[in-house]
Amino acid sequence: SAVISQKPSRDICQRGTSLTIQCQVDSQVTMMFWYRQQPGQSLTLIATANQGSEATYESGFVIDKFPISRPNLTFSTLTVSNMSPEDSSIYLCSAEGGSYGYTFGSGTRLTVV
Amino acid sequence: AQSVSQHNHHVILSEAASLELGCNYSYGGTVNLFWYVQYPGQHLQLLLKYFSGDPLVKGIKGFEAEFIKSKFSFNLRKPSVQWSDTAEYFCAVERSARQLTFGSGTQLTVLP
Repeated sequence: SAVISQKPSRDICQRGTSLTIQCQVDSQVTMMFWYRQQPGQSLTLIATANQGSEATYESGFVIDKFPISRPNLTFSTLTVSNMSPEDSSIYLCSAEGGSYGYTFGSGTRLTVV
Repeated sequence: AQSVSQHNHHVILSEAASLELGCNYSYGGTVNLFWYVQYPGQHLQLLLKYFSGDPLVKGIKGFEAEFIKSKFSFNLRKPSVQWSDTAEYFCAVERSARQLTFGSGTQLTVLP
């Protein structure tokens, strides 16, 4: 199965600023996914990112707030824009692993102050 | 609303006790089912999955799960837990278009 390196692992940011989270996969994958895990809650899918096309966002998430890049088959970024304390969460990326299922990055713990 | 339900939010067991964590989903049609585990400070890891075939699937570390289609359930079991099984466990359902929906998670604490 693919191995995903995600960074940063954690950050504390000022409200109104933006943070870009990076995920690097050790093999080529068609689909990558971005999730949010708010405190005490489960994982919620933010968007699906395919290489060469715009990301597909789930209900409640918009591109202006969470722009995503997918420049090639091994890399993706998620930007959390104009942050507020409500954006404090763990953000995870994931890659489709075929018959294996899905692989996840280690997560980015974001605190907005 | 379509969802994945894990009714046990926190389970506390002593070592050697048997474990069963419930997972129910409300989607019709064909689904793929997963159990993931997140050990403290670590990333999500796949415990086991069901795509088709034998509804009793075996995963890593002695875990197994049974898919009961009529009950829309995919419960996780382990006959004898260890202290090292302390972790959060997530059930997940994959529908069409590769959308993975997670349950709310169950925190398992195993007392030595």
